Amino acid sequence: DGGITQSPKYLFRKEGQNVTLSCEQNLNHDAMYWYRQDPGQGLRLIYYSQIVNDFQKGDIAEGYSVSREKKESFPLTVTSAQKNPTAFYLCASSESGVGSEQYFGPGTRLTVT
Amino acid sequence: QKEVEQNSGPLSVPEGAIASLNCTYSDRGSQSFFWYRQYSGKSPELIMSIYSNGDKEDGRFTAQLNKASQYVSLLIRDSQPSDSATYLCAVNPRAAGNKLTFGGGTRVLVKP
Repeated sequence: DGGITQSPKYLFRKEGQNVTLSCEQNLNHDAMYWYRQDPGQGLRLIYYSQIVNDFQKGDIAEGYSVSREKKESFPLTVTSAQKNPTAFYLCASSESGVGSEQYFGPGTRLTVT
Repeated sequence: QKEVEQNSGPLSVPEGAIASLNCTYSDRGSQSFFWYRQYSGKSPELIMSIYSNGDKEDGRFTAQLNKASQYVSLLIRDSQPSDSATYLCAVNPRAAGNKLTFGGGTRVLVKP
């Protein structure tokens, strides 16, 4: 089955630690995205990548980093510089054309204490 | 003014009735519009996409787009308790490539 996988589903970390969230897709999509969702809020774009070895900052990139070494994979690192890291993190992918539909993975719920 | 606005709800609808959800957007040049359904604790699921003015129907769902008035709506006919969820409107603004801007979502409650 084609789809997007994210792991782990739940993640707990202590303040001051970096943590990396995994996102893998087998839809052969060129574009991948990371969003953050806070309780009762919409989605905010953290980083996106249109093609391998290239990525751009979204609206709330501070305190986050990404890499895109393979088409299938787009890991997100939440660094200790992120002031409020506790949130629901969603990875999505799409074809590269303008207006392409984005499809989401199941998400990772990160709690930092 | 937010780029994409939705009434947060909850929109309470009797089972079998029509649920009507609205979304307005600020970028007049936006070309692509999407509706996602998100159950509590789950990720968003794409249910409709619409690109041109008018209506688009898919099963019990109808999306309506009016670019002149800068709104897009979603109708859910014969609402079922399983339709209880938050519905997110997403817009692809002009010059944004394939990035989407999301509204805050409308929570829908379908009561048996």
